[in-house]
Formats: sequence, structure tokens, C-alpha cells
Amino acid sequence: GAVVSQHPSRVICKSGTSVKIECRSLDFQATTMFWYRQFPKKSLMLMATSNEGSKATYEQGVEKDKFLINHASLTLSTLTVTSAHPEDSSFYICSATGLGYNEQFFGPGTRLTVL
Amino acid sequence: GNSVTQMEGPVTLSEEAFLTINCTYTATGYPSLFWYVQYPGEGLQLLLKATKADDKGSNKGFEATYRKETTSFHLEKGSVQVSDSAVYFCALLHYNQGGKLIFGQGTELSVKP
Repeated sequence: GAVVSQHPSRVICKSGTSVKIECRSLDFQATTMFWYRQFPKKSLMLMATSNEGSKATYEQGVEKDKFLINHASLTLSTLTVTSAHPEDSSFYICSATGLGYNEQFFGPGTRLTVL
Repeated sequence: GNSVTQMEGPVTLSEEAFLTINCTYTATGYPSLFWYVQYPGEGLQLLLKATKADDKGSNKGFEATYRKETTSFHLEKGSVQVSDSAVYFCALLHYNQGGKLIFGQGTELSVKP
């Protein structure tokens, strides 16, 4: 089946630093990738949609200068949390889909803790 | 717009009990419907899906039938196990949403031995 990986699985950083999270499709070409944020005991909140080679489309209320998304290849998208603060601590999940697929394949998630 | 509503949790059951988690949706046309499961500390795993009316998705003893007349996709399992303890998300995918998934709020299931 289609597999999506994320790296790192956990990251702890100091307030004010930037953190990059990678999302990779391992066995298919991901024309579209999605980034979600999940708060404890809550559903997934879509942050942005990225199509390979294009700028990401951000959902309302998501700061694009804060959460930088790059989708430069058909197998890799990155989310960079810039100048992270404790309120950015969360579980970040990516998903991917490609041509011929009618579903999204999810990564295992990245737990970000900002001290 | 498109939306998904799930029954509120948490749901607590004894092992071997029957499980139903209700899910209803609002959408025009014919969306695809999904159930995802999330175990503690992990990402989402696809449990089952249905792409058209009257389709039944099934996996690992779980079933859900796409009912267009009642706009529902209820999740059922005849005999739950402790290992089924997780959060379950109902979702729809409609192509007028640019391939985005619309999630329900999630239902936490706890199965006691």
C-alpha cells in the first residue's frame, strides 16, 4: 500500500527557534500533500494544502509566514514552524494523495513541544 | 457546505460487546466516506471506506454501509476487543472541496476486559 513517513517523530525546541518537519511519500508520487494540526482530545484541523511545484493554499486563520510549507518534489513536503512559541506545541500530521487515488494516506505524526 | 457529525464520546464498552458509532454527513452529490482509527500517540490509519451509495466497507470485523437516504455511515463491530480502544474519525471526501477530507469530531472508544 501507499506509505507516508514523517520525520522527526518527536521534537523539543526552545522558544524562538525554528523547526522543520518532513513528510515523505515512500512508494508513490504525491501530487498533493496536506498538513494538519491536532490538539489533545480534538479532531484534525487542516492547516494547508500543497500541490507539487506550487505555493501552498492555507486555511483561514493559519499564518503562512509562521508555518512555511514547501512541496518541491513529488515525494517530499516540509513544514517549518518559524520562531516557535509554546502555543505552537501540538501534534502535526501530514497526508498525501496522488493521481489515481481517491483517498489520503497519513503519516505517523510529529509531536512538537516548544519550551 | 459539507460537514460530518459523529456521536460524542467517550464510549466505554466491555470486551465482546457490540459497537455502534453513529456518523451522519451533509454534502451535495456523492462524496466518498471513510472511517479512520487513531491509536494513542500515532497518526491516522484508514479502517474502511465506501465510495458510492449502498457500498459496505469492512475491515478487521468493522463494517459501515453508505446510506444515501439517511446520509449516514455508521460504524459497527459485533464483538469488540481491548485492542480496539482508540479514537475513531468519520470523514468525507468531496471533489468540490479540492480533495480535502472533512472530519467529524472523533469518538473515543475504551474497551474494558
